[in-house]
Amino acid sequence: GEDVEQSLFLSVREGDSSVINCTYTDSSSTYLYWYKQEPGAGLQLLTYIFSNMDMKQDQRLTVLLNKKDKHLSLRIADTQTGDSAIYFCAEINYGQNFVFGPGTRLSVLP
Amino acid sequence: GAGVSQSPSNKVTEKGKDVELRCDPISGHTALYWYRQSLGQGLEFLIYFQGNSAPDKSGLPSDRFSAERTGGSVSTLTIQRTQQEDSAVYLCASSFGTYTDTQYFGPGTRLTVL
Repeated sequence: GEDVEQSLFLSVREGDSSVINCTYTDSSSTYLYWYKQEPGAGLQLLTYIFSNMDMKQDQRLTVLLNKKDKHLSLRIADTQTGDSAIYFCAEINYGQNFVFGPGTRLSVLP
Repeated sequence: GAGVSQSPSNKVTEKGKDVELRCDPISGHTALYWYRQSLGQGLEFLIYFQGNSAPDKSGLPSDRFSAERTGGSVSTLTIQRTQQEDSAVYLCASSFGTYTDTQYFGPGTRLTVL
């Protein structure tokens, strides 16, 4: 089946940029997403990108998509302690099945 | 207004029993999603309802799982003959339209199969 992979852990210093990477196998992905899950809270959709786009920027968040390499990244500028959470990469294909990655736990150190 | 609600919040059952999980989406949301999150694993998409269209069931992990959505609103996820590997948090979400709209997640039902 289709697969989405992420590194499981990332630690950064407060104020630095964080880059969370994701790779996927489905060449028919139409949308790719980044979700944030904070401790004890539900999932929050951060941003999404359509598969024919290379980049999308939204305030501190920058999403880069390399469709040839099937690589998606999320860059968080000026990372704050409130950004500590698990970040899930997900994709949806024409069959309308979401596939999620295992999540990257971001720890922001003071 | 009220968010997505799910019931029960916790369910402990014995292996082999059937369970039914309920999701009440936000009023007016046409799309409804079921996911599960197992300990140590990521989120797994199960099924997606859009309006009154028949859902794609290919994401359901086995034929013991079924889901329905009555009247385009409340949804139930039924697991027959539960197995220990079914233990997980089952999350429901709804969105106003399609999968580019923000999904609002419920608190989840924690299912434990003994």
